[in-house]
Amino acid sequence: DQQVKQNSPSLSVQEGRISILNCDYTNSMFDYFLWYKKYPAEGPTFLISISSIKDKNEDGRFTVFLNKSAKHLSLHIVPSQPGDSAVYFCAAKYNNNDMRFGAGTRLTVKP
Amino acid sequence: NAGVTQTPKFRVLKTGQSMTLLCAQDMNHEYMYWYRQDPGMGLRLIHYSVGEGTTAKGEVPDGYNVSRLKKQNFLLGLESAAPSQTSVYFCASSWSGNNQPQHFGDGTRLSIL
Repeated sequence: DQQVKQNSPSLSVQEGRISILNCDYTNSMFDYFLWYKKYPAEGPTFLISISSIKDKNEDGRFTVFLNKSAKHLSLHIVPSQPGDSAVYFCAAKYNNNDMRFGAGTRLTVKP
Repeated sequence: NAGVTQTPKFRVLKTGQSMTLLCAQDMNHEYMYWYRQDPGMGLRLIHYSVGEGTTAKGEVPDGYNVSRLKKQNFLLGLESAAPSQTSVYFCASSWSGNNQPQHFGDGTRLSIL
């Protein structure tokens, strides 16, 4: 029962353009959402988060949008850089300890 | 500034063998977690701990045991390894569970033949 879904296994974008990574969830109890970035042979690193009381959170080149009615969130990276090439995981929480992850989207930013 | 350190990085076991994965954090975090990551799936929570001496089950706890005897260490044990436990295991820690981001180690790749 995958409660957090990232339906695009991969995404390729040209350097300087916008990258949009999408995530859907099924559990309406989720109240906090996070994006993690993962390079090969390393652990995931926290990127940005958003509470369910907000619909947008911005941090530099990264913006996360939350649409609760559609149970959908997205991560926008503008402008995309080659160093952004990694696997991006969406995660959602509904209590303090139970975090559910999507399967990840591999982003490739081409120079 | 080590953060979260996992030992070992790689291991190959035979079915039925036992082993312990060690996680150590130097950030004085209260909460610690063990996840497994399998191909095509996100990370799934095995067990977690909200403080020294406490442990609790996560989403996929069967076949694993954990201990948190010291605040900085969280051990994951496989008593009788099975091929289905072949996976990459990640440890993480956080200040609390209250919307605090988790900090991850670099993972342990475990193969069970």
